[in-house]
Amino acid sequence: AQSVTQLDSHVSVSEGTPVLLRCNYSSSYSPSLFWYVQHPNKGLQLLLKYTSAATLVKGINGFEAEFKKSETSFHLTKPSAHMSDAAEYFCVVSEAYTGRRALTFGSGTRLQVQP
Amino acid sequence: DAGITQSPRHKVTETGTPVTLRCHQTENHRYMYWYRQDPGHGLRLIHYSYGVKDTDKGEVSDGYSVSRSKTEDFLLTLESATSSQTSVYFCAISEAGSTDTQYFGPGTRLTVL
Repeated sequence: AQSVTQLDSHVSVSEGTPVLLRCNYSSSYSPSLFWYVQHPNKGLQLLLKYTSAATLVKGINGFEAEFKKSETSFHLTKPSAHMSDAAEYFCVVSEAYTGRRALTFGSGTRLQVQP
Repeated sequence: DAGITQSPRHKVTETGTPVTLRCHQTENHRYMYWYRQDPGHGLRLIHYSYGVKDTDKGEVSDGYSVSRSKTEDFLLTLESATSSQTSVYFCAISEAGSTDTQYFGPGTRLTVL
């Protein structure tokens, strides 16, 4: 069975400082991993996706994530936070070979960006 | 943005009444999903569809039913709404199955009094 744990429910950074949002996953098979972002009262938008090509994945808005199989981690980073990055971020896992089953979401990390 | 609309966007109803939420897509994607979002739980899958008239249960399907008579429409029905079904409901679509990117609709906020 697949599962995902987001290690921090809230993260607060100052504008211009680095962002690190941590995610660990559990999967019996080769997983696909995603990060989605949700701004207040909005739907979810895909930030980036890992599907076993390169282990360092670049996404939109300067975000990137590194897949580390030995650590079962898929942490999201950004070198310099912007006020517009304030939102909730979800780490998501999906296994191959599970047929038609859909995604498993983490419980989310709320990112606050202080001026 | 993917062409996904949800209706209604907001609804307040009373316990015991039936409620139907609609998801409409213009992308001709094969897969459609219904999720609910509750604080501290992320999104949890209710039901999904892998084709017209083909549906299956997700992890929180009790109290919900779905139907898909056309590729573009996926309906979620609460036969007899309860207060525990107060939530934000999201529809999603994807071309392929579980490893494919899902695109989400804007959500429906449902309050059951």
